[in-house]
Formats: sequence, structure tokens, C-alpha cells
Amino acid sequence: AQKITQTQPGMFVQEKEAVTLDCTYDTSDQSYGLFWYKQPSSGEMIFLIYQGSYDEQNATEGRYSLNFQKARKSANLVISASQLGDSAMYFCAMRLLGASGSARQLTFGSGTQLTVLP
Amino acid sequence: DSGVTQTPKHLITATGQRVTLRCSPRSGDLSVYWYQQSLDQGLQFLIQYYNGEERAKGNILERFSAQQFPDLHSELNLSSLELGDSALYFCASSVALGITYEQYFGPGTRLTVT
Repeated sequence: AQKITQTQPGMFVQEKEAVTLDCTYDTSDQSYGLFWYKQPSSGEMIFLIYQGSYDEQNATEGRYSLNFQKARKSANLVISASQLGDSAMYFCAMRLLGASGSARQLTFGSGTQLTVLP
Repeated sequence: DSGVTQTPKHLITATGQRVTLRCSPRSGDLSVYWYQQSLDQGLQFLIQYYNGEERAKGNILERFSAQQFPDLHSELNLSSLELGDSALYFCASSVALGITYEQYFGPGTRLTVT
């Protein structure tokens, strides 16, 4: 079964600085997708960025980029120029492509609480 | 706003009771997913429906059931509620089944069992 590990329960960053949120994953499958979601204090889950296991380029979406290192099985989220509104819980998640049933569903890490300081 | 709606936003009920959570997916999305987020278990996948049919089951208790109706809205039924069922329940939708289709989450229903 796949597993996602986020080792940083909490992170602090100064406004306008960049921050990296760590995510490592464990799977024996070759085809999978990696996702990052943001959960503000209001509770909703907001999709940020996606990286496929066969994608050669690291994914980027505005101020978000995914540092994908397949050999290390890591998919770290980099947020550039942090803003106060970035303060939230961030979840890394994975889905398998080739499997069926529940294995195709999103498996989430435990999350990292990011606080942006003014 | 993701386009996924969930009602009610908050629900407080007693142990042993039954509740129904409702979800309307984004327009055009055929796939609906239910997740449970609790402090001790984190975010867990419960069940998925695609165009009215159940497609995958995760860590869903037998006391819980769900369905997706012809208009594609979905309901999650929780019965014989226990204190441990207190959690944030999310519905998500995606246009299809493929791995690259990101799931858009609703605002969640916060269930408190007293």
C-alpha cells in the first residue's frame, strides 16, 4: 500500500521569503500522481499542484512549484514569495494509476501547518 | 469557491442517531468522493461513485453508506453514530476517473456527536 510522509508538523516563514514543505512517498508502482492541497483555517481543501510520475519537468503553478525527485521518492512543495494568506495546513497526496478500486484514491500525508510571519 | 456544495455545514447530534450529508458536485463532474478528516485518523478516503455506480471503497464503516443519484448529487448516510464519528466530512468531485483529474473539494460538513 502507498504511504505519504510529511515530517514537518509545523513550519514558520517570514513574509516574502520562500519555503519548502517536505513530502516523501512510498510505493512500488511506477505510475502515480502526486498532489498538494492547502487547507486554510476555514476548512476547505484547495488543490494547488499536480505532478505525474512520468513527467520530466517539475510542475509549477504561479508561486507554487513541486520539486520532484523520483529516485529519492520526494515531492516537496516550494512556495515562493510567501504571503500572509499562505498560512494554512498543507497536505501532500498520492494516487496510483495502474491499480483499481481504493488504491486509485488519494492517500494523504499528515500535513504541515505553515505560518507566515509579517 | 470550488463549485462543490455540501450541506449542512455543521451538524450536532447524539450518539445512536442517524444523519445524512449531502453533496452536489461541480457542474459536469461525474465522479464523487467522500473523505473523513479526524484528528486521530487524518484524511481518509471513504467511498467513490462514478455516474451513479460505486467504484471504490476505502475505510468506510458498515454503519456508513452512500449513494449517487441520477442528477449526480450524492448522500452519505451515517447511522448508529458514535463519539468517534465526530469529524469533518468532505465531498470531492472530478470530471472523470483518470489519475490526472484533480479532485475539487467541497467546504465540508463538520459533524459533532455528543
